Amino acid sequence: NAGVMQNPRHLVRRRGQEARLRCSPMKGHSHVYWYRQLPEEGLKFMVYLQKENIIDESGMPKERFSAEFPKEGPSILRIQQVVRGDSAAYFCASSHSRVDTGELFFGEGSRLTVL
Amino acid sequence: RKEVEQDPGPFNVPEGATVAFNCTYSNSASQSFFWYRQDCRKEPKLLMSVYSSGNEDGRFTAQLNRASQYISLLIRDSKLSDSATYLCVVPYNQGGKLIFGQGTELSVKP
Repeated sequence: NAGVMQNPRHLVRRRGQEARLRCSPMKGHSHVYWYRQLPEEGLKFMVYLQKENIIDESGMPKERFSAEFPKEGPSILRIQQVVRGDSAAYFCASSHSRVDTGELFFGEGSRLTVL
Repeated sequence: RKEVEQDPGPFNVPEGATVAFNCTYSNSASQSFFWYRQDCRKEPKLLMSVYSSGNEDGRFTAQLNRASQYISLLIRDSKLSDSATYLCVVPYNQGGKLIFGQGTELSVKP
């Protein structure tokens, strides 16, 4: 299966710990997007990356959150010093080219629970 | 005005019914639009793309009114398997992020 792979699928952290979510895009895709979905809410854009570059991080909280997409390896969404409000499903998506001309392919999501 | 705003749900309809969802968007420069489907908080999947005035695919018809900045999705002859949340999606700028509406939940009953 060459789809978007996210891991872990489920992650439990205590307040103050760090959470690292990984995303491997579809083969041949160089555009990666992270979205967050809070319970009972819609998908909120967080960040758009291409290899080694952050293109748009306008949806990222100013503190504690960071993202990268290195030349080799998966994209990483890192949340430091997690709080209960960070509990959500984090979806990664990838595309071959600009999203206004193509389709976004989503992973199954990583569900973060902060105790 | 929100960037993308959809009809609040849920819509509860019997099998065989026709149902329509509405969506308005604020970015008048957007050229393409999408409807995605999300089942039970799983990953969203593309249902239809809309590049001109509309698009039809079997029982599904999407229409676009650029003057009113309005998109609709019509589902005819609803099936139980159509039960899902339908997400209206608009690119924010050329080559940039996709903005998702909050979704409209559809429940098709026997």
